Amino acid sequence: SQQGEEDPQALSIQEGENATMNCSYKTSINNLQWYRQNSGRGLVHLILIRSNEREKHSGRLRVTLDTSKKSSSLLITASRAADTASYFCATVTGANSKLTFGKGITLSVRP
Amino acid sequence: AAGVIQSPRHLIKEKRETATLKCYPIPRHDTVYWYQQGPGQDPQFLISFYEKMQSDKGSIPDRFSAQQFSDYHSELNMSSLELGDSALYFCASTFLAGGVRGTYFGPGTRLLVL
Repeated sequence: SQQGEEDPQALSIQEGENATMNCSYKTSINNLQWYRQNSGRGLVHLILIRSNEREKHSGRLRVTLDTSKKSSSLLITASRAADTASYFCATVTGANSKLTFGKGITLSVRP
Repeated sequence: AAGVIQSPRHLIKEKRETATLKCYPIPRHDTVYWYQQGPGQDPQFLISFYEKMQSDKGSIPDRFSAQQFSDYHSELNMSSLELGDSALYFCASTFLAGGVRGTYFGPGTRLLVL
């Protein structure tokens, strides 16, 4: 089973709208990270939130973390067609441990 | 700034052949990870090396082996290739800063097994 499970699996929105993607995980974590991947391309790190943080912002991105519910959300505000990609959350369970990815969410932003 | 370099970027092999993928981590990064991402799948951890020693092992088939060399580059060796090995293989390197590991991914090697 995956450590991070994204919800929804696919999301289609109009340009300018906000996109919210959720991720749940099962075990205690050191930090949680969100990545973006354009079709068949590399993984681009978006944002990292530590287990003792509740919210973090980076440009149009806002990520929240609820360790009591073992869940995180990624909000992309004022979406653009260029935001069309797959988004993955990944958890790190220890300071020296690997990333465990969840299933990706495919975001389509219609111009 | 230098990024993680992977070579080759694309590779086509026949079944039962062998393949070697190379990864050159960012200088001074102490850990290298290998991930496999099948079509439409999430990346799966294969193996990692910390200071040239294997540090963790994931869902890596016995047909695969990897090592990290004295210059910190790493190679993933894949033998008796199967159709199901067709995937994108990512290498990532990390360093520890402020108690958090910054992870940097390479562009990946796309392997197609025919």
